[in-house]
Amino acid sequence: EAQVTQNPRYLITVTGKKLTVTCSQNMNHEYMSWYRQDPGLGLRQIYYSMNVEVTDKGDVPEGYKVSRKEKRNFPLILESPSPNQTSLYFCASSSPAGVAGELFFGEGSRLTVL
Amino acid sequence: GNSVTQMEGPVTLSEEAFLTINCTYTATGYPSLFWYVQYPGEGLQLLLKATKADDKGSNKGFEATYRKETTSFHLEKGSVQVSDSAVYFCALKMRGSTLGRLYFGRGTQLTVWP
Repeated sequence: EAQVTQNPRYLITVTGKKLTVTCSQNMNHEYMSWYRQDPGLGLRQIYYSMNVEVTDKGDVPEGYKVSRKEKRNFPLILESPSPNQTSLYFCASSSPAGVAGELFFGEGSRLTVL
Repeated sequence: GNSVTQMEGPVTLSEEAFLTINCTYTATGYPSLFWYVQYPGEGLQLLLKATKADDKGSNKGFEATYRKETTSFHLEKGSVQVSDSAVYFCALKMRGSTLGRLYFGRGTQLTVWP
């Protein structure tokens, strides 16, 4: 089954404690991206990756890091989480070829930073 | 720049009512347009899309027509069901873009009562 898998789905942590949210896709997609969803703000892109070892900032990259060492994986790293990073995070992937490449989303990771 | 504006919610309807969720866009070129739906506790999934002016996308009784003259892509359904309760996101992707990036609206919460 084609899917994007994120882990963990739920996490409560404390300020400053490094954490990683993993994302893996099994569709051989080149493009992967991280979004955060906050009430009243919709989806905002954090980082994206066009392919292995190619990453770039989205609209709200501050406080986050990513890496793309393998095509299927795109982890999101919070080196020193802060309460303003409490949010619902989504990983997504697509094959960007053509004008209507569909984005496939993971189920989301709800992060609370105390 | 590229952006999407959709009507603010929440929208509350009775079952079998007619639904319209307005979406307008600003784009520097000729985008493809999408509606994504997010059911409670899930990630986003593609509902319908249109890739050029006057195209009509349709799925699950929902439809939207790409109107270049009004830069709009309004979502409609003739008779909503309780199971349609979800958050709906309008989005655009630039034609010819190799980035695979979608620009999302802020989302509209729809609640349908029996």
